[in-house]
Amino acid sequence: QQQVKQSPQSLIVQKGGISIINCAYENTAFDYFPWYQQFPGKGPALLIAIRPDVSEKKEGRFTISFNKSAKQFSLHIMDSQPGDSATYFCAALRFSGNQFYFGTGTSLTVIP
Amino acid sequence: DAGITQSPRHKVTETGTPVTLRCHQTENHRYMYWYRQDPGHGLRLIHYSYGVKDTDKGEVSDGYSVSRSKTEDFLLTLESATSSQTSVYFCATRRGETTEAFFGQGTRLTVV
Repeated sequence: QQQVKQSPQSLIVQKGGISIINCAYENTAFDYFPWYQQFPGKGPALLIAIRPDVSEKKEGRFTISFNKSAKQFSLHIMDSQPGDSATYFCAALRFSGNQFYFGTGTSLTVIP
Repeated sequence: DAGITQSPRHKVTETGTPVTLRCHQTENHRYMYWYRQDPGHGLRLIHYSYGVKDTDKGEVSDGYSVSRSKTEDFLLTLESATSSQTSVYFCATRRGETTEAFFGQGTRLTVV
């Protein structure tokens, strides 16, 4: 059973456009929702994260929007650049638990 | 970079042979994880450790075993490799009091 569902599987965006990746979860006990970025041949690295008591978090061009009632959260990449081309994973963690639950990933391609 | 080294980085092995992958960390993190990454499946947890000699199964643990005899080392063993275990394997660590997970560079394993 997939604890975190992610969409779309792939995304192509023009340079300067907005990239939006969505995730949904079922377990209301999750306490922490990170996004990881992975470049080819590398391991994933933390990009940005949010806790459920906050509806939005922004770091530079990257924003997480969190909707607790809908059990959904999304990553918005403003002014997308070719260097943002990567695979993005959303995840969820329960502080009392030991493991992260990852989405299936989104391959983002930003066309110059 | 949390000082995570995976070895080997690439391996080709024959069906039925045992294989051991090593994860070494220099940050004294409490938690260590083994994931496999496959197209369409994202990151799936194989096993994890929450302390020396303390391990637990993840969602895809069949055919795999782990050991952690020292804080810094987490070994993943494929007891009898099968073609379905061809994948990219990632080790990750997490310090107990923080929530960020740090990933290694990955090991590409091919079972022929």
